[in-house]
Amino acid sequence: TQLLEQSPQFLSIQEGENLTVYCNSSSVFSSLQWYRQEPGEGPVLLVTVVTGGEVKKLKRLTFQFGDARKDSSLHITAAQPGDTGLYLCAGAETGNQFYFGTGTSLTVIP
Amino acid sequence: NAGVTQTPKFQVLKTGQSMTLQCAQDMNHEYMSWYRQDPGMGLRLIHYSVGAGITDQGEVPNGYNVSRSTTEDFPLRLLSAAPSQTSVYFCASSFDRRGEKLFFGSGTQLSVL
Repeated sequence: TQLLEQSPQFLSIQEGENLTVYCNSSSVFSSLQWYRQEPGEGPVLLVTVVTGGEVKKLKRLTFQFGDARKDSSLHITAAQPGDTGLYLCAGAETGNQFYFGTGTSLTVIP
Repeated sequence: NAGVTQTPKFQVLKTGQSMTLQCAQDMNHEYMSWYRQDPGMGLRLIHYSVGAGITDQGEVPNGYNVSRSTTEDFPLRLLSAAPSQTSVYFCASSFDRRGEKLFFGSGTQLSVL
């Protein structure tokens, strides 16, 4: 069973469109992170959110942590081809273990 | 700084063979970990270490061994490879002992025939 479920699994959009990716769980997380992974490379950390209701912005990317700290969303405004990649959420639940979500594969078509 | 370095990049094994995936980091991070990535499964933790001499199991430890004799190195050993171990393997490190803010290597693509 997956602790963190991401939706959608695949997303293909035109350049300039907006999109939202969701990360949901029945568990409460002390913090949640978003990573982006490009083909043939390891994931790269984008952001960490730690407080329920927290919103962080990174240029055209907006990250939100749910009030109950069980879910998170990533919103991209005016997507560009350079945003193409696999987006992964990861949560810290207990001890030293991080759990990663199932991933959302985003393709932005020029 | 090189960050997290993994070798080899690609490897093909026959069932029953053994091998070691190498991982080294030059950031003086205490926390290091190994993940495997399979389609539709995200990243799953195999083993992790919070410092030299200390290792522990993750979600999917069966078939894998690790050791941590130095801060810099964290090799992953497959004692008897099985086709189910065909995957992409990532090593990661963090300055945080809880494993937050991970820095990943570029991965090892392993095929077991």
